[in-house]
Amino acid sequence: DAGITQSPRYKITETGRQVTLMCHQTWSHSYMFWYRQDLGHGLRLIYYSAAADITDKGEVPDGYVVSRSKTENFPLTLESATRSQTSVYFCASQGINTEAFFGQGTRLTVV
Amino acid sequence: RKEVEQDPGPFNVPEGATVAFNCTYSNSASQSFFWYRQDCRKEPKLLMSVYSSGNEDGRFTAQLNRASQYISLLIRDSKLSDSATYLCAAPYNFNKFYFGSGTKLNVKP
Repeated sequence: DAGITQSPRYKITETGRQVTLMCHQTWSHSYMFWYRQDLGHGLRLIYYSAAADITDKGEVPDGYVVSRSKTENFPLTLESATRSQTSVYFCASQGINTEAFFGQGTRLTVV
Repeated sequence: RKEVEQDPGPFNVPEGATVAFNCTYSNSASQSFFWYRQDCRKEPKLLMSVYSSGNEDGRFTAQLNRASQYISLLIRDSKLSDSATYLCAAPYNFNKFYFGSGTKLNVKP
């Protein structure tokens, strides 16, 4: 099915562990984004990518790493998870002259 | 100063009311703007795009004021189903979008 999917949908991890959130889109959109959403802060841009192998920092990149070896995938890695990274993470993709489409989100809890 | 700012609300209005939200942005070079709707922390979904002076779609009207650097969303004849959080988005640079914190709308019977 065409669309954008995130996995896992829910994740509980321990402080200090590395965790990777996956994002896959089937439209071949050039642009992909990772946002986190916390109460009172709306969506905050973590990283974005304009194309394969091109990534750039957003508002809150510290503690996160991204890669984009293929157009359709844009994984987000928390290198050493902290409790402050407990959040809902949304991935989005956007083509030229289209709006951004969002995945269903990943609820991450760091204990 | 945040790139995009919104009044968090909540706006509590009765059915049938007209309600308006504003969203200010800091990048004067921004060309396109978007209003998204988000239900109960589900994924945001596009409501309207704003590329020039404004856009209208049924009960919803979005307007852009470049001089004062804000966009607005007007909802006429509010329905219970309009209850949601409304997010505005503005590009920091081409296709790098920042979102406001969202405005919560509660439409009551």
